Amino acid sequence: RKEVEQDPGPFNVPEGATVAFNCTYSNSASQSFFWYRQDCRKEPKLLMSVYSSGNEDGRFTAQLNRASQYISLLIRDSKLSDSATYLCVDNAGGTSYGKLTFGQGTILTVHP
Amino acid sequence: NAGVTQTPKFQVLKTGQSMTLQCAQDMNHEYMSWYRQDPGMGLRLIHYSVGAGITDQGEVPNGYNVSRSTTEDFPLRLLSAAPSQTSVYFCASSYTGTSTPDTQYFGPGTRLTVL
Repeated sequence: RKEVEQDPGPFNVPEGATVAFNCTYSNSASQSFFWYRQDCRKEPKLLMSVYSSGNEDGRFTAQLNRASQYISLLIRDSKLSDSATYLCVDNAGGTSYGKLTFGQGTILTVHP
Repeated sequence: NAGVTQTPKFQVLKTGQSMTLQCAQDMNHEYMSWYRQDPGMGLRLIHYSVGAGITDQGEVPNGYNVSRSTTEDFPLRLLSAAPSQTSVYFCASSYTGTSTPDTQYFGPGTRLTVL
């Protein structure tokens, strides 16, 4: 079993739609997680950190369910500019050393 | 600040050749790491360093060497290139402090093809 698993998609949604991605992780001791965004042929960039139960940033909401060991990312009112690959990341190495474990990514395409 | 820089951006090697991928950061980050990204595999950690003079192996270290003689630089060496090392390589750095300690900043990547 992969340590971090994501549905690779692709997800194709119209502008204005709400879309949700799920990610499961296998390390029950992991304390924190991230969602990164990666545009085509570019480097990953941090979208959100997910500590404790979750957090919200504008149109983006991330939730953490420790009992079921999954993280979700909800995007409301999708924009064309949200088209990207979304990477779920487990901070399995603890708070100091940032040894991140990445999922394979979920592709999102937002169309007019 | 330039952030994290990587050179070269593109490289083509023949099997058996050696080369060094350069990575530098000007943010005074203690932690630096190298990842490779392959289709359908996500990013996988090759080597990492928690400070000058200290390095350790990640998930896929075979065929790669690293050193960390300064805080700023963390080069990745391919000893004898193989086609299986065709990939996109990302260098990343972060603080090991107490505020958002693990926000990693990635360089733009090096696209390596081994023939």
